[in-house]
Amino acid sequence: ETGVTQTPRHLVMGMTNKKSLKCEQHLGHNAMYWYKQSAKKPLELMFVYSLEERVENNSVPSRFSPECPNSSHLFLHLHTLQPEDSALYLCASSQTSGESSYEQYFGPGTRLTVT
Amino acid sequence: QKEVEQDPGPLSVPEGAIVSLNCTYSNSAFQYFMWYRQYSRKGPELLMYTYSSGNKEDGRFTAQVDKSSKYISLFIRDSQPSDSATYLCAMSDYKLSFGAGTTVTVRA
Repeated sequence: ETGVTQTPRHLVMGMTNKKSLKCEQHLGHNAMYWYKQSAKKPLELMFVYSLEERVENNSVPSRFSPECPNSSHLFLHLHTLQPEDSALYLCASSQTSGESSYEQYFGPGTRLTVT
Repeated sequence: QKEVEQDPGPLSVPEGAIVSLNCTYSNSAFQYFMWYRQYSRKGPELLMYTYSSGNKEDGRFTAQVDKSSKYISLFIRDSQPSDSATYLCAMSDYKLSFGAGTTVTVRA
């Protein structure tokens, strides 16, 4: 395993539901990321947290709300999603400085289906 | 134009064949070039990374970067069924930009 865990692994939710995705890293890293992976498309970077501060928000709709309470935990709160939000949501972590910042460790992802 | 272009395949080869994967890119500011491997129902894992132009070899894997052509390659020699996965190229100036991934199947 990579040292990054995600729960739940699978989630089916209706468009009016509210749910949260959880990510935990056991690597001592100080940067964490949320990505969206859709079939045949490049990974889309959604949010970046460095030292618990959000440093990147790639024009993500407000129905996605991240939270980083400490350097080991990252959440993605979901509400009033659309069917096109169905995808694999990946969490990753890395060090923030030097060459190793480009080496990201990914969790297994949460497969989200919006009905 | 996409920042990183990668042929999604799929690519199917017999065991023992050489697998050749490549990506092109448009951003000349990229300095770090990575290949990630993603098995089914898993997250991507870093396979190799190269700084600037040149070649890098790790066992059966060779990564090449040609910055003048904005072209990177990954070669897998003596491919094994365990190499069956999706391979994603990634490049970085200050953040990672990924290709769409190429799905490779190595037939026993």
